[in-house]
This record gives sequence, C-alpha cells and structure tokens, in this order.
Amino acid sequence: GAGVSQSPSNKVTEKGKDVELRCDPISGHTALYWYRQRLGQGLEFLIYFQGNSAPDKSGLPSDRFSAERTGESVSTLTIQRTQQEDSAVYLCASSSPRGGANTGELFFGEGSRLTVL
Amino acid sequence: AQSVTQLGSHVSVSEGALVLLRCNYSSSVPPYLFWYVQYPNQGLQLLLKYTSAATLVKGINGFEAEFKKSETSFHLTKPSAHMRDAAEYFCAVSDQGGYQKVTFGTGTKLQVIP
Repeated sequence: GAGVSQSPSNKVTEKGKDVELRCDPISGHTALYWYRQRLGQGLEFLIYFQGNSAPDKSGLPSDRFSAERTGESVSTLTIQRTQQEDSAVYLCASSSPRGGANTGELFFGEGSRLTVL
Repeated sequence: AQSVTQLGSHVSVSEGALVLLRCNYSSSVPPYLFWYVQYPNQGLQLLLKYTSAATLVKGINGFEAEFKKSETSFHLTKPSAHMRDAAEYFCAVSDQGGYQKVTFGTGTKLQVIP
C-alpha cells in the first residue's frame, strides 16, 4: 500500500482479555518495528523484524506480549491477559526498501490506541 | 548500545523567535541521526536526517540540524517559530550498517506563544 496501515485504530478492552493489533507495512519494506507510546511519554521500542525473523525482541515488556510477521508483509502484535498498564498507543513502522538504500528512516502508521478498563 | 538524550521535555518560544531543541547521542559506531515530528493527533513523520553526508542537514518547514561529532550532538533549529510548529519532536539514532534498530529520545513538546 501507499503507507503503513494499522488496525484497529482504537480498541477498548476489559482487563484480562487478549488483544491483537495488526500492521500492514509499506509494500517492499523488509524491516518492521513496533513501538509503544504511553500517554505523555516517548517511544518505547518493543520488537524489530527483518523479513519474518525477529532479531531483537528485547523491548517486549513481558511474556504476555508476542509478535509475528508473515514474510515481508503483515505483522500482528498480541497482548494476552491485558492489564491497565498496557493502555497506550502502539505504533508500527517499516523501513528498508528491498533493493533501495537503507538509511534507517522509518515510516510510521497512525497507531492503534489501546485502552484497558 | 545506542541512545539519545533530549534536554527539556517542554520548550516554549514566542512566535518569530529562534527554536532550539537539543539532542545528544551515544553510539559506538558511526550513527544515522533523525528528527521526527508528531503533530497533535497525527502519526510521526520524518523532519530531517543525517546519513554521513553533509553535517548541516536541512529538513521540511525551515528546520535544520547540525551533526557535531566532537559534541555528540544533533540539535534542531529554526530561525523563526511559527504557530504551526507546535508539536512534539523526537530525536532518534540508528547504526549506519547491519541491524538498524532505531532508538528514540523521550521527546520535546514545543509550544509557540503568539
């Protein structure tokens, strides 16, 4: 697609439920990132994909968080047994066009706002 | 490991005044450096980037930043602030080669006073 697409844009859930957030990167981008942005705070790195492998999962806060990616396409971030502290905007970004210059520039989606009641 | 430090979580300037947002980085290898801007209720977008070419980088909307290796800094400036510049600005760093994890600073909210 023309840009990074994330869904849902807003999700309200009850504590203890599982949620799935989806990211469609820019077509041809090999790298995909997930970040979390809590209200009034900066961007917190969660996980990085190169293709469908995740060389860096160091930012995932706990084992309730997991992510996968299908090839160089869509990625899903799953949060199990959600807690109130999971409330945040989850941002996805892609970069590294195949065959193009890799400068690390990220292209962001508009985010998925998660509210855990 | 790489990191960025943004001095000042909030900066206020008068319309027409100089904008200076500070960013210092730490990287064990030559870095790429970025400034991203997030306007209210919008996603992040790239403002400008340093990728080892010219040390003075010009971006959109009249912003520029200078890479100073000796000071490990990449401060963002604009000669004359406009009301539309009110936003949150994030400095970011990545390695020039290999795995390009991009690490962001905590952000600086710019307020422009009429």
